[in-house]
Amino acid sequence: EAGVAQSPRYKIIEKRQSVAFWCNPISGHATLYWYQQILGQGPKLLIQFQNNGVVDDSQLPKDRFSAERLKGVDSTLKIQPAKLEDSAVYLCASSLGTTGYEQYFGPGTRLTVT
Amino acid sequence: KQEVTQIPAALSVPEGENLVLNCSFTDSAIYNLQWFRQDPGKGLTSLLLIQSSQREQTSGRLNASLDKSSGRSTLYIAASQPGDSATYLCAVIYQAGTALIFGKGTTLSVSS
Repeated sequence: EAGVAQSPRYKIIEKRQSVAFWCNPISGHATLYWYQQILGQGPKLLIQFQNNGVVDDSQLPKDRFSAERLKGVDSTLKIQPAKLEDSAVYLCASSLGTTGYEQYFGPGTRLTVT
Repeated sequence: KQEVTQIPAALSVPEGENLVLNCSFTDSAIYNLQWFRQDPGKGLTSLLLIQSSQREQTSGRLNASLDKSSGRSTLYIAASQPGDSATYLCAVIYQAGTALIFGKGTTLSVSS
């Protein structure tokens, strides 16, 4: 079974530029998560989708971050404009459902904002 | 505030030792708890998932226990190997349908 795919793996941008990340979850997984992991910290949830609907985006900085999951499969996370403090690893995870299921993580996208 | 704490932050042991990693959470009413492994520059690999009704889970040399009443979980690694060197993250789901809340992790180094 293929795992969670993410691209790009690495991205370096200057502050105030925009960037987008892509995630393809495990086939059949209805729930998709985006986490932000700052160096030395545990991952923190940015947004959670159930199919193509948003379940929780309470910690998403909506003035600069946006995410969508069209057709309930792939998802994109966008940052515009980026700040220095956005430098982090962005992890996508998926699970069969929202209740009682393991979450499976992709390799992440390492973003450096200069 | 619902938090997850992992102690120690780093641990170095010689190969062959048995070791315990600790995780504590602030609210005993958790839904489930998951242990992950993260290698440098890589994503997270799920090791064990413990449902709130369970007290432990085992996979190979790994054993995770859950004591909700004391707000603690431990990950026991038997006969450690250099390949076990990684960061181990504990994460909790407090309510069904919500996302994981992570600790900061314990970075393990096993020397040969």
